[in-house]
Amino acid sequence: ETGVTQSPTHLIKTRGQQVTLRCSSQSGHNTVSWYQQALGQGPQFIFQYYREEENGRGNFPPRFSGLQFPNYSSELNVNALELDDSALYLCASSLFRGVANTGELFFGEGSRLTVL
Amino acid sequence: GENVEQHPSTLSVQEGDSAVIKCTYSDSASNYFPWYKQELGKRPQLIIDIRSNVGEKKDQRIAVTLNKTAKHFSLHITETQPEDSAVYFCAARGTSYDKVIFGPGTSLSVIP
Repeated sequence: ETGVTQSPTHLIKTRGQQVTLRCSSQSGHNTVSWYQQALGQGPQFIFQYYREEENGRGNFPPRFSGLQFPNYSSELNVNALELDDSALYLCASSLFRGVANTGELFFGEGSRLTVL
Repeated sequence: GENVEQHPSTLSVQEGDSAVIKCTYSDSASNYFPWYKQELGKRPQLIIDIRSNVGEKKDQRIAVTLNKTAKHFSLHITETQPEDSAVYFCAARGTSYDKVIFGPGTSLSVIP
């Protein structure tokens, strides 16, 4: 059973640039959630993908977008980067079996983004 | 929207003592409450979870209690050890879809 993997692990961008972060979900999982974790804070929910569609979004602007592919892997895209986007971006996969029965979130190691 | 609050933000205990972290949630429809431990530079990892049809759950030195009426849930760690030192996050999941909302975290230090 392979775990959740994310790439790249670290990257540096400048304001206004665009970034794409990638996530491979754990084997057998069908749902991917993305979180932003600023230093010293809890993970903030960005959005979730289920069956290749966005299944819910947190309080993030439209310049944060994503994709989920048929193999359940996912991408997070951020356009027009701002300094405040500097954070650890965590991907978590899970097996969603209905609102009354869900599995635990398994996190990847994260992608640390620095915006200069 | 949904919100999870967590207290205290930092907690320092002597090795062998107990540690208690308390959380409240705003969405009365929440039905799943996991707790995650995050060591420095590592990914969050689930340590225990509880569902809304259960009031208490225990796993060795760790226990979680849930009061749905008050929308409170707590983590109890007994006989703390230095390796328990980490940041602990409580979380709550609602029923609209599989979104899990995290609290701001508690930094626990266990002093040998």
